[in-house]
Amino acid sequence: QSALTQPASVSGSPGQSITISCTGTSSDVGGYNYVSWYQQHPGKAPKLMIYDVSNRPSGVSNRFSGSKSGNTASLTISGLQAEDEADYYCSSYTSSSTLFGTGTKVTVL
Amino acid sequence: EVQLVESGGGLVQPGGSLRLSCAASGFTFSSYWMSWVRQAPGKGLEWVANIKQDGSEKYYVDSVKGRFTISRDNAKNSLYLQMNSLRAEDTAVYYCARDLSVWSFSSAFDIWGQGTMVTVSS
Repeated sequence: QSALTQPASVSGSPGQSITISCTGTSSDVGGYNYVSWYQQHPGKAPKLMIYDVSNRPSGVSNRFSGSKSGNTASLTISGLQAEDEADYYCSSYTSSSTLFGTGTKVTVL
Repeated sequence: EVQLVESGGGLVQPGGSLRLSCAASGFTFSSYWMSWVRQAPGKGLEWVANIKQDGSEKYYVDSVKGRFTISRDNAKNSLYLQMNSLRAEDTAVYYCARDLSVWSFSSAFDIWGQGTMVTVSS
């Protein structure tokens, strides 16, 4: 199975909103409401930011939101802050396993 | 404190074997699906394997089937990954991760270890 497709990089200025897309197929993203998003800073373990398409774990800022339409999921970061600069990965459930996205580097200008 | 701590990584020659361990604490380990996820240097995340709460179901990414075996010991609150016939492309940081749901495998990993580095090289 191929990785889910994400843009390699997205950038924005402080205070702006950005959206990261995650495209899969009807066998993964489109077939289940089990899409998650992770934030990873250099040298650190990933951190769960969104699960089940649009739910935020306790402690995650409400500036992070998720959605899905068909085979494409999206992560929106509003009110961009310097600490949001990191790599972001989507993932999806598929047949008792997990597919990760290719990853997106978010740069705060 | 809820925590996962991996160990067992290191340098191994191609064709060799290694066993990774993950010690869980701060939560009821036996209630959760567990997974191994790896990340090659400078690359993205790749799910490797998962195991059901009682060990009755195990799933693997195609590239490790027949070479890697995931297991758990709920009495010891520990997760394992036995890696045989290692290849250069298995070089990565290996993370153990807890699935968010206690009901079924949801593919959302809410707790991660710090990772252990595996290097396959002659």
